[in-house]
Amino acid sequence: SQQGEEDPQALSIQEGENATMNCSYKTSINNLQWYRQNSGRGLVHLILIRSNEREKHSGRLRVTLDTSKKSSSLLITASRAADTASYFCATDRGSQGNLIFGKGTKLSVKP
Amino acid sequence: DGGITQSPKYLFRKEGQNVTLSCEQNLNHDAMYWYRQDPGQGLRLIYYSQIVNDFQKGDIAEGYSVSREKKESFPLTVTSAQKNPTAFYLCASTKWDSLDEKLFFGSGTQLSVL
Repeated sequence: SQQGEEDPQALSIQEGENATMNCSYKTSINNLQWYRQNSGRGLVHLILIRSNEREKHSGRLRVTLDTSKKSSSLLITASRAADTASYFCATDRGSQGNLIFGKGTKLSVKP
Repeated sequence: DGGITQSPKYLFRKEGQNVTLSCEQNLNHDAMYWYRQDPGQGLRLIYYSQIVNDFQKGDIAEGYSVSREKKESFPLTVTSAQKNPTAFYLCASTKWDSLDEKLFFGSGTQLSVL
């Protein structure tokens, strides 16, 4: 079963622009995580936001969580060509590390 | 240099053959996971193990088997019963009961059928 669903599926922007990706989920969660995957590589953890948090920042990343709407957004500010990758949200299902991943948003940042 | 090592990077399977994907970690993590990724899709959980000599089925365990004889190692066998094995396989690990609940991933193994 896949709980997280990212939107849009693909996003193409110019360098310097902001990129916003959204994630919706179905059941209650303890936390929500965002991961990045470069083509043909493993995933890299970006940020975790807990269910009692509404917003979190890490460098150029800003994550929001709205548990009433069961949704989260990831904002990458001042994007760079190196940000080109797929981004996945993942929600826990009660057992630590046992995550449900969405299908991802493929971000392309053109120089 | 700590991390998770998956091997081989590319693997080819013949009809009726079992193949084993290796996953080794030196992060002293308790829990290890195997995910399958199909093109344009998210990750689906195959098996996971929270302690040595114990493991649980994930969402798509049929046609796969695992073992956890050592804390550092969690090999995945793709058996001949798995009729559609072509996919990208990712191994991950995490420290159990840590406030930092993130997964660390290997670089993956691409399995194809000949």
